[in-house]
Amino acid sequence: DGGITQSPKYLFRKEGQNVTLSCEQNLNHDAMYWYRQDPGQGLRLIYYSQIVNDFQKGDIAEGYSVSREKKESFPLTVTSAQKNPTAFYLCASSSGYIGADTQYFGPGTRLTVL
Amino acid sequence: GNSVTQMEGPVTLSEEAFLTINCTYTATGYPSLFWYVQYPGEGLQLLLKATKADDKGSNKGFEATYRKETTSFHLEKGSVQVSDSAVYFCALTDRYGNKLVFGAGTILRVKS
Repeated sequence: DGGITQSPKYLFRKEGQNVTLSCEQNLNHDAMYWYRQDPGQGLRLIYYSQIVNDFQKGDIAEGYSVSREKKESFPLTVTSAQKNPTAFYLCASSSGYIGADTQYFGPGTRLTVL
Repeated sequence: GNSVTQMEGPVTLSEEAFLTINCTYTATGYPSLFWYVQYPGEGLQLLLKATKADDKGSNKGFEATYRKETTSFHLEKGSVQVSDSAVYFCALTDRYGNKLVFGAGTILRVKS
């Protein structure tokens, strides 16, 4: 079955540590996205990538980093510079073509800073 | 930039009641409009979409019509079920067509 996988589902981190969240898709999509969701709030875009080896900052990129070395993978690193990293993180992908703009989401990773 | 405003929740209904969740938008150009649903602890699922004015998106008994004259995309369902309890997000494409802009989400609670 085609889809998006995120791992792990729950992640705990000590203050001051970097942590990497995994996102893999087998939909052959060109575009991938990372969002942050806080309780009672909508989704805020962290980074997005429209093609391999290229990515752009979203609305809240500070304290985060990404890479896009393979079409299927778009890992997100939450660095120690992120002041309030506890949140639910969602990865999404889309075909990237104009007019085919539906995004498909993974199940999410809940990050808790201890 | 493009933006979307949803009615605040939570919305609490009895089973078989009629549902309306309001969504209005501001946009440059001709965005596509979406409704996504999020069940507790899960990612978002596409519920329906519309790509041009007067289009009606529909799925699982839900429907929404793209109204350019009122810049609205209200979600409706004739008879809700307990299993419809979730958070509903309205979204639209940004002015360049390569990102989605989401509303804050509306919590729906359906009681039996």
